[in-house]
Amino acid sequence: EDQVTQSPEALRLQEGESSSLNCSYTVSGLRGLFWYRQDPGKGPEFLFTLYSAGEEKEKERLKATLTKKESFLHITAPKPEDSATYLCAVLGGGGTSYGKLTFGQGTILTVHP
Amino acid sequence: DVKVTQSSRYLVKRTGEKVFLECVQDMDHENMFWYRQDPGLGLRLIYFSYDVKMKEKGDIPEGYSVSREKKERFSLILESASTNQTSMYLCAITGLAGYEQYFGPGTRLTVT
Repeated sequence: EDQVTQSPEALRLQEGESSSLNCSYTVSGLRGLFWYRQDPGKGPEFLFTLYSAGEEKEKERLKATLTKKESFLHITAPKPEDSATYLCAVLGGGGTSYGKLTFGQGTILTVHP
Repeated sequence: DVKVTQSSRYLVKRTGEKVFLECVQDMDHENMFWYRQDPGLGLRLIYFSYDVKMKEKGDIPEGYSVSREKKERFSLILESASTNQTSMYLCAITGLAGYEQYFGPGTRLTVT
């Protein structure tokens, strides 16, 4: 069974204070690791897909990296508008998954001005 | 841009009522999903569909059914709503290029 664990559960930063969110996973044959941003009361917004160890993706102040056991979402010089819950999900290779993702619990990021 | 719409943002229903939640996509995506999201429990998959009239149970299908008569529309049905079905319901579709999922805005359902 695929498993995803995100840490920390919550993270408070000052504006401009860079940090990283962690996503540890256990999966049988990784076919993709996905990062999402979710604002309160809204649906998750897709950010990145990573497919293999060593891969990196960037978008504005966010950079996602992948190893064989975990992924990091690095936030450089965050702004208050980066405050949100960040979700990680994996797609394993076992069986006929039809794209069924396994999600982590999320990290609630708060950036103070 | 991928567009997923859900029939209501907020819904209040009484215990025992039959409830229909509708999800509509504007492109030719095959895979559609229904999740519920609760504090501390994260996103949990209820049902998904990989083609018209095809469906599979997710992790928590009890108390729910689904219908997919047309490719663009996927409905979630609560046969007899109960208070423990009060939740945020999210519909998602799989992208055409890969397995990333795109979510609708969500329906906040309250059952009283």
